[in-house]
Amino acid sequence: GNSVTQMEGPVTLSEEAFLTINCTYTATGYPSLFWYVQYPGEGLQLLLKATKADDKGSNKGFEATYRKETTSFHLEKGSVQVSDSAVYFCALRRFGNEKLTFGTGTRLTIIP
Amino acid sequence: DADVTQTPRNRITKTGKRIMLECSQTKGHDRMYWYRQDPGLGLRLIYYSFDVKDINKGEISDGYSVSRQAQAKFSLSLESAIPNQTALYFCATSDRGEDYGYTFGSGTRLTVV
Repeated sequence: GNSVTQMEGPVTLSEEAFLTINCTYTATGYPSLFWYVQYPGEGLQLLLKATKADDKGSNKGFEATYRKETTSFHLEKGSVQVSDSAVYFCALRRFGNEKLTFGTGTRLTIIP
Repeated sequence: DADVTQTPRNRITKTGKRIMLECSQTKGHDRMYWYRQDPGLGLRLIYYSFDVKDINKGEISDGYSVSRQAQAKFSLSLESAIPNQTALYFCATSDRGEDYGYTFGSGTRLTVV
């Protein structure tokens, strides 16, 4: 079946540090891959996505590249801000199966 | 107005009570979903609907039921609430096709005492 494995948190970084949150997946075929962000007290918001191998999704300074050879979609940001503190979810959606499969989420806290 | 609206935002109910959580959307999407979020477990799918006449169980449907009253409305019911159904519940919608992500509501925090 489909599954998503995320780096366990919580992750605490200082402002302006470099961020990587690891995500690997298992799926048949070529799924679309997503990162969602959940700010405190809110629902999930789509952060970025990639729909085929070698695609790079980007938004708000975050990037992730769809790596088919390593079945990975790691989230990166060069310089984090306090406002990036949130829970981040990696997810996949496989062709012919329109349900999203989520990872367990990674809580990120940025300290000034 | 929000694209996906959930009511209520917070609810405390007693064990054994029936409770309904409501979701409405203005996206015009056919697909609607109910998820449950628990700490450390991520989001788990309860039920989903691809159109008004199509309702499907997700991975944790026991103890829950749903009704798709219209394309825009999808409600979740707990027939007899129990404490381990205390969680954050999210409704989501999507367009057809695997390239599209979901649009989520703001969630309902349910506490069963």
